[in-house]
Amino acid sequence: DAMVIQNPRYQVTQFGKPVTLSCSQTLNHNVMYWYQQKSSQAPKLLFHYYDKDFNNEADTPDNFQSRRPNTSFCFLDIRSPGLGDAAMYLCATSRDQGRINEKLFFGSGTQLSVL
Amino acid sequence: RKEVEQDPGPFNVPEGATVAFNCTYSNSASQSFFWYRQDCRKEPKLLMSVYSSGNEDGRFTAQLNRASQYISLLIRDSKLSDSATYLCVVASIVDTGRRALTFGSGTRLQVQP
Repeated sequence: DAMVIQNPRYQVTQFGKPVTLSCSQTLNHNVMYWYQQKSSQAPKLLFHYYDKDFNNEADTPDNFQSRRPNTSFCFLDIRSPGLGDAAMYLCATSRDQGRINEKLFFGSGTQLSVL
Repeated sequence: RKEVEQDPGPFNVPEGATVAFNCTYSNSASQSFFWYRQDCRKEPKLLMSVYSSGNEDGRFTAQLNRASQYISLLIRDSKLSDSATYLCVVASIVDTGRRALTFGSGTRLQVQP
């Protein structure tokens, strides 16, 4: 059974039209992450939540926002998608974030296309 | 210079071949290392952690060389199903006390019949 679930699997939006991607987890993990991965590139961390504590990466554009209303759910909002935002968006969780060997659990990703 | 560097490949090898990938990292304070496998348009999946003494899991062997700051992955007896992109991941504890992961861009392996 999937433990980190992302919906939808594929998302098509129009240039400038707000879009929300969702992630849920059944692991009761404290930490949830959003990564952006473009073709043939490394996953790039956008932000993460440690419980309700939001942590933005310094180079994450303001166009990207996130919400975590409870332990199980986390949302990625793209306020005005541009063509350059087309990518795979990966949600991941971990139990904690202080242990060096902490395992990361990925969802299956949402492939976003911007027309 | 990127923090984690990998040869993008592709490495095209015949079934049954042995293939090895390297990954170099620039942060000498890095403490933990992993190999992930990623299939096309799928999420990364943990293949194995890399320990100082080197470790083996079936046909896969991972090695760490701290002095030269690289890790390696060796795949013996390649199968068609090994075709994927292999991501190197390096972990360190940053000054806030939390773990930071840095991903490489991956090395693509294509095993051919």
